[in-house]
Amino acid sequence: AQTVTQSQPEMSVQEAETVTLSCTYDTSESDYYLFWYKQPPSRQMILVIRQEAYKQQNATENRFSVNFQKAAKSFSLKISDSQLGDAAMYFCAYNAGGTSYGKLTFGQGTILTVHP
Amino acid sequence: GAVVSQHPSRVICKSGTSVKIECRSLDFQATTMFWYRQFPKQSLMLMATSNEGSKATYEQGVEKDKFLINHASLTLSTLTVTSAHPEDSSFYICSALEEGFSNQPQHFGDGTRLSIL
Repeated sequence: AQTVTQSQPEMSVQEAETVTLSCTYDTSESDYYLFWYKQPPSRQMILVIRQEAYKQQNATENRFSVNFQKAAKSFSLKISDSQLGDAAMYFCAYNAGGTSYGKLTFGQGTILTVHP
Repeated sequence: GAVVSQHPSRVICKSGTSVKIECRSLDFQATTMFWYRQFPKQSLMLMATSNEGSKATYEQGVEKDKFLINHASLTLSTLTVTSAHPEDSSFYICSALEEGFSNQPQHFGDGTRLSIL
């Protein structure tokens, strides 16, 4: 079974600074998808960024970028120029793709606090 | 953008009551929907996969008779918590895959907070 591990229960960052959230996963698949989701206090699930395993290039969405290391099974999220609105719980998630597409396995989550 | 509506957003009821939660795709057709459960400050756990016109597929450890799932149309899946007890209190979230857009990110509903007294 696939597992996703986020080893940082909580992280904090100063506004305008950069923070990196860690995620590792375990799978025997060669093709899969990885995601970072943001869950603010409203508990909405907001997609931050998505990476397809067959793509070597790291995904980027504005201030958010990932460091995808397939061999090491690592998928960290870097938030640049942190803003107060970035404060939330962040979940790393894995999806095997194919007929299992959509069935997400989530990590434990990291609570991010942004200090003004 | 694609919108998934989940209703009700919050429900409080007595032990022994059955509670139905609706997950509706408002502007797209969803052949597949998913139901997740989230305890406070914890991760989301997949409960089941709901496919239109067929029986739901439940994850290991999820009681089929406790959590009844029906996906009768391309825009609606329902989760019924039967004879709910306090331990069923949780946050339930649905998500939907848009038909014809395979391998695209799923769309999440806003969740239902269920409290059983």
